[in-house]
Amino acid sequence: EVQLVESGGGLVKPGGSLRLSCAASGFTFSDAWVSWVRQAPGKGLEWVGHIKNKAAGWTTDYAAPVKGRFTISRDDSKNTVYLQMNSLKTEDTALYYCATNHNFDYWGQGTLVTVSS
Amino acid sequence: QSALTQPRSVSGSPGQSVTISCTGTSSDFSGYNYVSWYQQHPGKAPKLMIYDVSKRPSGVPDRFSGSKSGNTASLTISGLQAEDEADYYCCSYAGRYTYVFGSGTEVTVL
Repeated sequence: EVQLVESGGGLVKPGGSLRLSCAASGFTFSDAWVSWVRQAPGKGLEWVGHIKNKAAGWTTDYAAPVKGRFTISRDDSKNTVYLQMNSLKTEDTALYYCATNHNFDYWGQGTLVTVSS
Repeated sequence: QSALTQPRSVSGSPGQSVTISCTGTSSDFSGYNYVSWYQQHPGKAPKLMIYDVSKRPSGVPDRFSGSKSGNTASLTISGLQAEDEADYYCCSYAGRYTYVFGSGTEVTVL
């Protein structure tokens, strides 16, 4: 059974940093591209960025609102993807999901990030 | 990158069909047939319902179908059932390894 479990969310002040984790099981993690998708309270889904697999060079791409502030990395030995979020803004407040591959075929349950003073 | 445009809500009676549109620009859809649809029940994670415009993952009822014409993609739910009441989001590959989601549509079963 495919499982994705996000963790690391919490309350942080504007300008602060936070690192989220996405632990995966039930599939060949090293072959997967993994995206982060967020959902602000009561709002729609927003693609944040992704990290490709080894075959694609482990390269990353980001949405414009987070480019230069967020960094995605992965540790295939731990079946885990990370989202390092720096210079956080109030508008980054959201439930952050990780999801697999081009079609976002599997999703975790999300971890809540609240940016507030 | 602005969100793809979806109607805020659609509704139908049990057994009826409803269609949700998803409109963007030519750059949003980037000339690729990489449009997917997600169902999200309140408090739950999204679930993939349609990918590559019209393909259904294993386990998704064939009541759900997808299509695309020009810069508009559509999701049709035939034989509407109570459990179909949820929010639905489209998503498209937007080129340069980026993706854009739709604004979301609330489906109500009357």
